[in-house]
Amino acid sequence: AQSVTQLDSQVPVFEEAPVELRCNYSSSVSVYLFWYVQYPNQGLQLLLKYLSGSTLVESINGFEAEFNKSQTSFHLRKPSVHISDTAEYFCAVTRFTGGGNKLTFGTGTQLKVEL
Amino acid sequence: EAGVVQSPRYKIIEKKQPVAFWCNPISGHNTLYWYLQNLGQGPELLIRYENEEAVDDSQLPKDRFSAERLKGVDSTLKIQPAELGDSAVYLCASSQGTSAGETQYFGPGTRLLVL
Repeated sequence: AQSVTQLDSQVPVFEEAPVELRCNYSSSVSVYLFWYVQYPNQGLQLLLKYLSGSTLVESINGFEAEFNKSQTSFHLRKPSVHISDTAEYFCAVTRFTGGGNKLTFGTGTQLKVEL
Repeated sequence: EAGVVQSPRYKIIEKKQPVAFWCNPISGHNTLYWYLQNLGQGPELLIRYENEEAVDDSQLPKDRFSAERLKGVDSTLKIQPAELGDSAVYLCASSQGTSAGETQYFGPGTRLLVL
């Protein structure tokens, strides 16, 4: 079975400051990794995902995440946050094979950007 | 392109009453998922459909929950009778196929409150 740990339930940060949201996973098999974002009263939206290739993946709005196999981590970073980045962020994994694309989510990190 | 549509968005019922949620996936998406999201938690898969077939319902509490996807398009999730602990957000998602790593697109969810 897979599990995802997001140790930080809330991360307050000032606008234009850098931020890192931590994600660690545990799995006996290889996995694909995702970050989803949930804005208030909206559904989850895919932010970025790692399937293969370069371990650094980027989103269109300036977020990036790096897959670190040895540390079983997939931390999300942004060098300068904006008020509009205030949302809940979920890290998730699926198995390479045999899982039917079932997503296993972490408990989420609430990012609150302040002026 | 329209996203995943869910209705109702909010539902308040008394315990022991029945309730049903409806989901219309993105056109052409053969795979449909129902997730349960408790407060402060990440979503957890309840059931996954490939076309009209339920291929993974291992997490669905079958004593009170049921689901159907007639004609392989729309889907309905039902709870009968509802219990206080069923208060949560019920999310529907869809994807084109079931390949691991394929993006799932989420609806806005139905927020259920059982009194």
